[in-house]
Amino acid sequence: GAVVSQHPSRVICKSGTSVKIECRSLDFQATTMFWYRQFPKQSLMLMATSNEGSKATYEQGVEKDKFLINHASLTLSTLTVTSAHPEDSSFYICSALDRGNYNEQFFGPGTRLTVL
Amino acid sequence: QKEVEQNSGPLSVPEGAIASLNCTYSDRGSQSFFWYRQYSGKSPELIMFIYSNGDKEDGRFTAQLNKASQYVSLLIRDSQPSDSATYLCAVYNQGGKLIFGQGTELSVKP
Repeated sequence: GAVVSQHPSRVICKSGTSVKIECRSLDFQATTMFWYRQFPKQSLMLMATSNEGSKATYEQGVEKDKFLINHASLTLSTLTVTSAHPEDSSFYICSALDRGNYNEQFFGPGTRLTVL
Repeated sequence: QKEVEQNSGPLSVPEGAIASLNCTYSDRGSQSFFWYRQYSGKSPELIMFIYSNGDKEDGRFTAQLNKASQYVSLLIRDSQPSDSATYLCAVYNQGGKLIFGQGTELSVKP
């Protein structure tokens, strides 16, 4: 299957700082990428849909000014958690949509964010 | 009612047995169904997808879909300890979003 990378894999930051997470599709072009968040023992919750060249679509309850998404190219989407707080600590996972492959989503390895 | 529902488990089976994982969904217009496996601390990895009613087999895995009953299942034959993980059912709803169930934790005992 296709490969999606995320960077960093793990980040620890102080409360109030901003953290940027990168998601790259390595061997296919992804016009659409998704950002999920997963708290311990819970399932993946869709945060937003990232479309190349346009504004992201956020799910209800997700603050767009806090979680900034930029999808500037067909292979890169970034999620910036601004003014992070301890309650933002979570496992953030991106996926890239391969429309040519039965709309299969290929997931990145995830980023573990810990806000102190 | 949740869009995608799974028994959270844990489901415990002995090595070599068949593990049966079940999932129901609420959006009758859904067309695409996926089973992912997730190990602790890792992101999900796709096991199978199914679009048509009936069974689809891939190695030790069989996905079963019944659209009339809005039910999809995953059977794992000859279960191995390495199959111990959380299995996530995911369904594309008519809005084009992939909705995940809460996952079923499977434990295969040697």
